[in-house]
Amino acid sequence: GIQVEQSPPDLILQEGANSTLRCNFSDSVNNLQWFHQNPWGQLINLFYIPSGTKQNGRLSATTVATERYSLLYISSSQTTDSGVYFCAVSSGGSNYKLTFGKGTLLTVNP
Amino acid sequence: GAVVSQHPSWVICKSGTSVKIECRSLDFQATTMFWYRQFPKQSLMLMATSNEGSKATYEQGVEKDKFLINHASLTLSTLTVTSAHPEDSSFYICSAHRSSYNSPLHFGNGTRLTVT
Repeated sequence: GIQVEQSPPDLILQEGANSTLRCNFSDSVNNLQWFHQNPWGQLINLFYIPSGTKQNGRLSATTVATERYSLLYISSSQTTDSGVYFCAVSSGGSNYKLTFGKGTLLTVNP
Repeated sequence: GAVVSQHPSWVICKSGTSVKIECRSLDFQATTMFWYRQFPKQSLMLMATSNEGSKATYEQGVEKDKFLINHASLTLSTLTVTSAHPEDSSFYICSAHRSSYNSPLHFGNGTRLTVT
């Protein structure tokens, strides 16, 4: 099956800093989603982005499908941004069955 | 927007008992729902695909007789953990796909199961 690698595994920032999270995948994809998992376990859907660039407030994401990677940008980080960020992809016949990366644990200190 | 509701949010049960978890799509019909499991500090692993009106498809290594899935309607899938043991303690999350191509998967808030 498709492989998903996220980097870095851990990231510590001071409030106000910017960061870039990366997701590499091993095959062509027809779905890619970025999630933020909060301390209560809730998965917050940040972006549905199988290709192209999207922005939502301080967050933006870019997927370069031909080169098999996606980037999540967080600008002016806040303590509430802390948590685990997951990239998940699907490929082949189903664009619903997501394979998750191992995530990036982000800690934003005040 | 699309909402997926999962119930209960947490449950504690004794070894040997069964636990049922419900996953509902609240404002759309979902012919396909997915069940994931997440152990502490790990990623989400797909357990099975729940298909409305037919048998679920289980991922390799997932015991179908232990994790019973029923998808009896277009808005409800249930996961029953039968004869639960402490090693089944985990975070279970369901997801549903709105029946249109090129749309995101929506996730429930998860169920934290503790087996004592």
